[in-house]
Amino acid sequence: EAQVTQNPRYLITVTGKKLTVTCSQNMNHEYMSWYRQDPGLGLRQIYYSMNVEVTDKGDVPEGYKVSRKEKRNFPLILESPSPNQTSLYFCASSYSGGAADTQYFGPGTRLTVL
Amino acid sequence: QQPVQSPQAVILREGEDAVINCSSSKALYSVHWYRQKHGEAPVFLMILLKGGEQKGHEKISASFNEKKQQSSLYLTASQLSYSGTYFCGTEGAGGGADGLTFGKGTHLIIQP
Repeated sequence: EAQVTQNPRYLITVTGKKLTVTCSQNMNHEYMSWYRQDPGLGLRQIYYSMNVEVTDKGDVPEGYKVSRKEKRNFPLILESPSPNQTSLYFCASSYSGGAADTQYFGPGTRLTVL
Repeated sequence: QQPVQSPQAVILREGEDAVINCSSSKALYSVHWYRQKHGEAPVFLMILLKGGEQKGHEKISASFNEKKQQSSLYLTASQLSYSGTYFCGTEGAGGGADGLTFGKGTHLIIQP
């Protein structure tokens, strides 16, 4: 089944403790992206990747890092999480990131930083 | 720059029609529409490309006016299953696959 998976689905952590949220897709998509969703603000892009070893900042990149060492994986790293990073995070992928490409979303990761 | 969606929320009776609008201040190449149920991932509805086309999907259709940089989503004879939050995502006409910029969403509640 074609899908985007994220792990963990739920995470509660404390300020400053490094964490990684994994994202994997099995559709051989070149383009992958991370969004955060906060009430009243919609989906805001954090980082995106056009292909292996190619990443770029989205609208809200501060406090996040990403890497794209393999085509299928695009982990999101929070080196020193803070409470304002408490949010619902979605990973998405599409064939090439082109304007006509459908983005497929993962199930989401709900992160709480205490 | 986020596109602006209107209305922010709408409550309808089953069988009524709804229109959700999405406006951008920049030239657009495409508009994507998604629906999200509470606690779930956004689900793709349709894409409209530059060219002013209109698309339909059963009782859900959309239009794209590239000159006005606007898109509208039409839900006719709404069903209970249509409840959720609708997002438009826009891709600028400048090219470059930097991804979609999403609006803040429109909450749609369908009552029996």
